[in-house]
Amino acid sequence: SAVISQKPSRDICQRGTSLTIQCQVDSQVTMMFWYRQQPGQSLTLIATANQGSEATYESGFVIDKFPISRPNLTFSTLTVSNMSPEDSSIYLCSVYYSPGEQFFGPGTRLTVL
Amino acid sequence: AQTVTQSQPEMSVQEAETVTLSCTYDTSESDYYLFWYKQPPSRQMILVIRQEAYKQQNATENRFSVNFQKAAKSFSLKISDSQLGDAAMYFCAYRSVLSNFGNEKLTFGTGTRLTIIP
Repeated sequence: SAVISQKPSRDICQRGTSLTIQCQVDSQVTMMFWYRQQPGQSLTLIATANQGSEATYESGFVIDKFPISRPNLTFSTLTVSNMSPEDSSIYLCSVYYSPGEQFFGPGTRLTVL
Repeated sequence: AQTVTQSQPEMSVQEAETVTLSCTYDTSESDYYLFWYKQPPSRQMILVIRQEAYKQQNATENRFSVNFQKAAKSFSLKISDSQLGDAAMYFCAYRSVLSNFGNEKLTFGTGTRLTIIP
């Protein structure tokens, strides 16, 4: 299995600011995913990040709001831009590690005031 | 598009007893993966068990087993000898086997909150 870490684990931010979340994996992986989990809800995919190419965003998510970087095969960042209280969620990084197995980081709990 | 339905928002079970969580899904694909994930209050998503659709044998991991009914598109999770540490949200998820870009994402159900009664 993969060991995935995320920074920060939680943050409280002011409206209108931006936060960058980091995801680090202990081995090289081709595909990394960013999910959002709103309070009391299930997980929704924001985007898929492959190294060396632009991230692919799901319907309802745009690059200007959620820019993603994937500089190498073990690291990715997700930025939540111009935040509003509606962005308060848990953001989770995930990797596809082997056929049929997908693992998650510990999540970043974001509160926007 | 694939959909995953968990019709039980909450379940409870007495410690040491057995509980079954339900999951149904809809897909036009013949091969795919199904998963159960556990999310305790720590919010870490933990992979509990995985089933490959082309395998007829139901997956088992210690006290956790599944009842996979492909024709009925049903994928239930049975937890035997329930323990206090099993208390969590449980999510059922679907993933295509196809490697075409865009098919790799997990589609989640809405979750079932499991409470263990001491």
